[in-house]
Amino acid sequence: GQQLNQSPQSMFIQEGEDVSMNCTSSSIFNTWLWYKQDPGEGPVLLIALYKAGELTSNGRLTAQFGITRKDSFLNISASIPSDVGIYFCAVAFSSNTGKLIFGQGTTLQVKP
Amino acid sequence: ETGVTQSPTHLIKTRGQQVTLRCSSQSGHNTVSWYQQALGQGPQFIFQYYREEENGRGNFPPRFSGLQFPNYSSELNVNALELDDSALYLCASNRMDREDTQYFGPGTRLTVL
Repeated sequence: GQQLNQSPQSMFIQEGEDVSMNCTSSSIFNTWLWYKQDPGEGPVLLIALYKAGELTSNGRLTAQFGITRKDSFLNISASIPSDVGIYFCAVAFSSNTGKLIFGQGTTLQVKP
Repeated sequence: ETGVTQSPTHLIKTRGQQVTLRCSSQSGHNTVSWYQQALGQGPQFIFQYYREEENGRGNFPPRFSGLQFPNYSSELNVNALELDDSALYLCASNRMDREDTQYFGPGTRLTVL
């Protein structure tokens, strides 16, 4: 079935460092989404990407929709302790089904 | 604050029992989707409801069923609970013209013993 591959699986960084994570697929998708999930909570939408090549920022977060429509990356600049959590990429499987496919997640830990 | 609310927060059931989980969608959203998230995994799509009808379904058996009400709130029902049904159940809502941008509630943690 459809699968998204996220890397790295986990990261342990020092506060203030920049972070980069990415997500790839063997299939083309027209919408890429990045979510953050805190323990015991639902995923929170960070950035939505709708156009190939699009680069979108949300505060210290920047995400890009790959030109091939098969990948996306998320960068976090100057990390802070509250950036800790699990980051998921997701794609819209097809129109009119409502189905989002999620990656396995990247767990981020930030050392103060 | 996404505006999507779910109840209850936690629930413990035994094998074979039935459970109903509830969701209120974000204001202005007319579409609700349900996801199952096992520990350490990403959410898995169960189904979506629009205009009180099932609009799409993932790879889940018929004992997973749902309802959507005229006020766009929704229920997820699971019959004949199995141990593997233990998971975080997430509800997400969206506008039908922006169905790829879904906003999630905090989830219901279901434990089946």
